[in-house]
Amino acid sequence: ELKVEQNPLFLSMQEGKNYTIYCNYSTTSDRLYWYRQDPGKSLESLFVLLSNGAVKQEGRLMASLDTKARLSTLHITAAVHDLSATYFCAEGGATNKLIFGTGTLLAVQP
Amino acid sequence: NAGVMQNPRHLVRRRGQEARLRCSPMKGHSHVYWYRQLPEEGLKFMVYLQKENIIDESGMPKERFSAEFPKEGPSILRIQQVVRGDSAAYFCASSPNPPRGGQPQHFGDGTRLSIL
Repeated sequence: ELKVEQNPLFLSMQEGKNYTIYCNYSTTSDRLYWYRQDPGKSLESLFVLLSNGAVKQEGRLMASLDTKARLSTLHITAAVHDLSATYFCAEGGATNKLIFGTGTLLAVQP
Repeated sequence: NAGVMQNPRHLVRRRGQEARLRCSPMKGHSHVYWYRQLPEEGLKFMVYLQKENIIDESGMPKERFSAEFPKEGPSILRIQQVVRGDSAAYFCASSPNPPRGGQPQHFGDGTRLSIL
């Protein structure tokens, strides 16, 4: 069964600190997506990673992809309260469906 | 430039009734995907459709659930004889071409289905 695992599931961090969310996936997919979801809201696309070694950055978030290790990371630099949300990684499946991880609930404390 | 439009936003049904969820993709998008999100969980793929065709329904329960994307009009996810376990948020996403081109799927705001 195709599986995407994220850790941690819950992350409480202080403003100004750095942390990394890990996403392990089970197939040889070369497409990895990161989405953000605020409570009761839809999913907002953050990053699309298409090749081994891909690194993308937007503001305080940076995502990377290692297809050999089947690992993607989302690094948060100097967290601010506005980053509080649930973050999902998703693997691009064979017929274009997305296989989502369980999500990481990020709570940034002042 | 309207995004993916889903309606209704909230739907309440009693056990045994039918639920119809609608999704209009972004303008110019011809691929529609339905996902279900149970409380405190990630999204689970249900079905992938193009106009008038079901491409992949491997995530759809075999009974009571059906989906269509007609030539004209929105995509419809239909749940017959709903049960309490159907309570969830149902999200629709669309893309302009297969994501192999690197395009992310764009999500609607979802329909929150509650079964009494």
